Amino acid sequence: SAVISQKPSRDICQRGTSLTIQCQVDSQVTMMFWYRQQPGQSLTLIATANQGSEATYESGFVIDKFPISRPNLTFSTLTVSNMSPEDSSIYLCSARITLGAGETQYFGPGTRLLVL
Amino acid sequence: SQQGEEDPQALSIQEGENATMNCSYKTSINNLQWYRQNSGRGLVHLILIRSNEREKHSGRLRVTLDTSKKSSSLLITASRAADTASYFCATARSGSARQLTFGSGTQLTVLP
Repeated sequence: SAVISQKPSRDICQRGTSLTIQCQVDSQVTMMFWYRQQPGQSLTLIATANQGSEATYESGFVIDKFPISRPNLTFSTLTVSNMSPEDSSIYLCSARITLGAGETQYFGPGTRLLVL
Repeated sequence: SQQGEEDPQALSIQEGENATMNCSYKTSINNLQWYRQNSGRGLVHLILIRSNEREKHSGRLRVTLDTSKKSSSLLITASRAADTASYFCATARSGSARQLTFGSGTQLTVLP
């Protein structure tokens, strides 16, 4: 199994500012991902965080708005830039562990962001 | 965009009864996974079923997968109040990254 921690757990921010969310995994993982969960909704994939190269973004998400870093196999950051109230969501980090023929994707506890 | 749709959106049952949730998806997949999310908490991985499998069991959970109909079901037997949560199916794309795309979720309430 894997334990994933995120910092901060929650924040209240003013519009126009930026917030960087940190994700730490307790073991080395190949694949890390960032998701957004808007209030009362399901999860939407923002991007795949690639170690040593640029993240791969899903349709509707761009690097200028959501820059991602992945400096090593256990850590990643997501920045929400130039925030607006529409960015109020839970942001979740995820990592996939592959063991033999099995794999499991684990999720962090999420960062609750409220933009005023 | 969301690939999966789940039904029902909400389900309320009595403790001891079985709960069945369904998930449909649109494209080919590598595997399908089910997750639970308690209110305000993170996601807990429940079970994974591969595209070449038709049924899988884990404790009180039974998952089926019909790739011809692009659908899956999650059955929770002998439900407990502690099973109250949102349940999501997530399909893993083909390819090495196997990104997960989540369904809309089913809110299950188990009444004591």
